[in-house]
Amino acid sequence: GQNIDQPTEMTATEGAIVQINCTYQTSGFNGLFWYQQHAGEAPTFLSYNVLDGLEEKGRFSSFLSRSKGYSYLLLKELQMKDSASYLCALMDSNYQLIWGAGTKLIIKP
Amino acid sequence: DAMVIQNPRYQVTQFGKPVTLSCSQTLNHNVMYWYQQKSSQAPKLLFHYYDKDFNNEADTPDNFQSRRPNTSFCFLDIRSPGLGDAAMYLCATSSGTGGPYEQYFGPGTRLTVT
Repeated sequence: GQNIDQPTEMTATEGAIVQINCTYQTSGFNGLFWYQQHAGEAPTFLSYNVLDGLEEKGRFSSFLSRSKGYSYLLLKELQMKDSASYLCALMDSNYQLIWGAGTKLIIKP
Repeated sequence: DAMVIQNPRYQVTQFGKPVTLSCSQTLNHNVMYWYQQKSSQAPKLLFHYYDKDFNNEADTPDNFQSRRPNTSFCFLDIRSPGLGDAAMYLCATSSGTGGPYEQYFGPGTRLTVT
């Protein structure tokens, strides 16, 4: 079967760095997505990793280790507007997305 | 701007009264998805279409039906809503399947069942 785990909630300080982890178990893998979802709004795409390593996009970076079934999203120079849920989603062997429940990130001044 | 549009943003219906949610897209994408998302939970895929080819998830209740009359529009029908169907319903599109295609989401319709 497939399973995705991420922390339910994290708190960080404005201007700091935070790392949100995602671990998964799957029999088929075609990449891992990170989406941001503000309360009451739709998810928006942040990043996609299919090969091991780090992908950097401005203040956001995403890392993947396929052998460990592990990914993280790194957010730098945190801003208040980064308060949101961050969803990890695994693309399975049928190219369907299997979603995690999301990590609610709370930014404090 | 190309986008995914959902109407209405908020829908209130009575227990057992049929309701239809609509989604339209100007992205000209082949694939459209309907997800159900309850508070603090992962989105749950209900259906997806590749063009007019309909794909029903195995655990989607029969109470949920969908129609895609053309490329641009897709509808979600809930035949007899129960209290447990109160959720955010998200429509998404992608340009294809069989590859790592990004999904583009509409703003969602929040359904309340009274």
